[in-house]
Amino acid sequence: GESVGLHLPTLSVQEGDNSIINCAYSNSASDYFIWYKQESGKGPQFIIDIRSNMDKRQGQRVTVLLNKTVKHLSLQIAATQPGDSAVYFCAEIPPFSGNTPLVFGKGTRLSVIA
Amino acid sequence: KAGVTQTPRYLIKTRGQQVTLSCSPISGHRSVSWYQQTPGQGLQFLFEYFSETQRNKGNFPGRFSGRQFSNSRSEMNVSTLELGDSALYLCASSSQGENTEAFFGQGTRLTVV
Repeated sequence: GESVGLHLPTLSVQEGDNSIINCAYSNSASDYFIWYKQESGKGPQFIIDIRSNMDKRQGQRVTVLLNKTVKHLSLQIAATQPGDSAVYFCAEIPPFSGNTPLVFGKGTRLSVIA
Repeated sequence: KAGVTQTPRYLIKTRGQQVTLSCSPISGHRSVSWYQQTPGQGLQFLFEYFSETQRNKGNFPGRFSGRQFSNSRSEMNVSTLELGDSALYLCASSSQGENTEAFFGQGTRLTVV
């Protein structure tokens, strides 16, 4: 079964607000996590990654938080824009598997209300 | 630098036929992975090839197969197509190192009728 899942299948936010997308993972030994964004008709696009020796990583308008105690991952998007509307997937790489397989959650669809 | 290229973008096949999908990775990337994406099951790993060898395999039946060429280009083949094989097939390439990001192509949308 799925070892990575998402708490909410859909999320609607007002333009300009901050978005928080959550993800739970089950393999406590996983050491690498990635957030992907998938727009309609396109493949997943890398947003940000984090390794298990970190609990926070920031990118441009995005922050990923990793809580290993409760096996929880979140993606925060600051000042959400209409172009952020997409499905967001978290993915983990279990230990000792090299680069694959990426184990994906089912995704959260983010809708930005103008 | 060109991204991951998948061909064709769209494909319609009938049950029982076979299909071959192609993926050209980013130049210099030697790892190519294939994923199946459906609304019900999400993104599921099919297999990974590295230096022409299958390095990892997901839980799909033997009808799903793949190969990689010396230039790192990869193909996947599905034989005896079933309606449930209708999906978006995604290819991802990555460089050799551990825990490096995978770059996805736009996918091939396969419809089996």
